[in-house]
Amino acid sequence: EIVLTQSPGTLSLSPGERATLSCRASQSVSTSYLAWYQQKPGQAPRLLMLRASNRATGIPDRFSGSGSGRDFTLTISRLEPEDFAVYYCQVFGSSPLYTFGQGTKLEMK
Amino acid sequence: VQVVESGGNLVEPGGSLRLSCVASGFTFSSYSFNWVRQAPGKGLEWVSYISSRVSIQYYADSVKGRFTISRDDAKNSVFLQMDSLTDDDTAVYYCARDGGVTLDSWGQGTLVTVSS
Repeated sequence: EIVLTQSPGTLSLSPGERATLSCRASQSVSTSYLAWYQQKPGQAPRLLMLRASNRATGIPDRFSGSGSGRDFTLTISRLEPEDFAVYYCQVFGSSPLYTFGQGTKLEMK
Repeated sequence: VQVVESGGNLVEPGGSLRLSCVASGFTFSSYSFNWVRQAPGKGLEWVSYISSRVSIQYYADSVKGRFTISRDDAKNSVFLQMDSLTDDDTAVYYCARDGGVTLDSWGQGTLVTVSS
């Protein structure tokens, strides 16, 4: 079973700043199988990034993803007020079929 | 694309509950579906998957033997039958369309509370 560890647990930044969120896998992961989700309070998760670096439909270009092997990064270039949320990385596997990281909470400073 | 869950409720330990998920806005029968849950204040946990066409099913170890996923393409619906419920099953349960290797459309969730 692949374990995903996200860091930091909480990130405190101000609007306009750059956010860098990390996701480390316990073993090498294909970029094709790595995704990111955003979840705002009281809402369902929303797919942000697929195949590690491809934005999902409707996701603004201030969001970008990168990485390979065990280390992946979600970057938000200039934070907007609506970007403050919890972010999860996810990998597609065999057992279990989908594994999520524990999440990074991006909070407003 | 719209995904709507229902059926969440308060149930006693050892009890059963059946969740439903209705989807619209796309060709339902062509897609696989998943259930994902989120315990209060916690992260996301994948629960179960059902494929399109032949209805192949997969389960998380934590629910294997207790939960059963099914689908009715005529009603654009996916179901999760949950038996032998425990406190650890308390969570918001989300139905999510399978995008191949991602979960590309999610419902708003339905709350299941297991408590005496």
